[in-house]
Amino acid sequence: EAQLVESGGGLVKPGGSLRLSCAASGFTFSNAWMSWVRQAPGKGLEWVGRIKSKIDGGTTVFGAPVTDRFTISRDDSKTTVDLQMNSLKIEDTGVYYCTTDLMDVWGQGTTVIVSS
Amino acid sequence: QSALTQPASVSGSLGQSITISCTGTSSDVGGYKFVSWYQQHPGKVPKRIIYDVSNRPSGVSNRFSGSKSGNTASLTISGLQAEDEADYYCNSYTSSGTRVFGGGTKLTVL
Repeated sequence: EAQLVESGGGLVKPGGSLRLSCAASGFTFSNAWMSWVRQAPGKGLEWVGRIKSKIDGGTTVFGAPVTDRFTISRDDSKTTVDLQMNSLKIEDTGVYYCTTDLMDVWGQGTTVIVSS
Repeated sequence: QSALTQPASVSGSLGQSITISCTGTSSDVGGYKFVSWYQQHPGKVPKRIIYDVSNRPSGVSNRFSGSKSGNTASLTISGLQAEDEADYYCNSYTSSGTRVFGGGTKLTVL
């Protein structure tokens, strides 16, 4: 069974950085495009960004609110995908979900709180 | 990329049918078959219920169906049941290579 498990959430001050990690199992990770989706408290889902598989170029793309602040990387040997978040803003607060790019598999989410 | 437009709320009685719309542009919904729908119960992880406009993943009830016309996609739930009460989100691939969600629709089953 495909499974995704996020970790790394926590409390961080505005302007700070945080790195989230997602461990994948149960599917061929190296072939998978992986995405991150977030949800602010009481708000809707927001697509954050994606990394393609290495065989498809391994490139990344992001939604406008996080471009230039967030990066995504992957380690196919460890079957993990990371979301590096820099210059964090209060509005980045929320639950961050790791998903396959087709969003058929979701992790349980990890909570990020940006507050002074 | 602006969020896709969904009604904030819809309601229907047990056994009835409802439809949730999702309006975008020719750069997203209208330009691609890659529209999907997600169901999220309070405090739970979203679940994909429709992909590629009208396809249902294995295990999803056939009471859920999807369609698209022009720049608007639709999710129809027939034979409403109490457990269908949830938030529903559409999502589309975009011409920028990104994906975009709708604002979400809260379904109340009366």
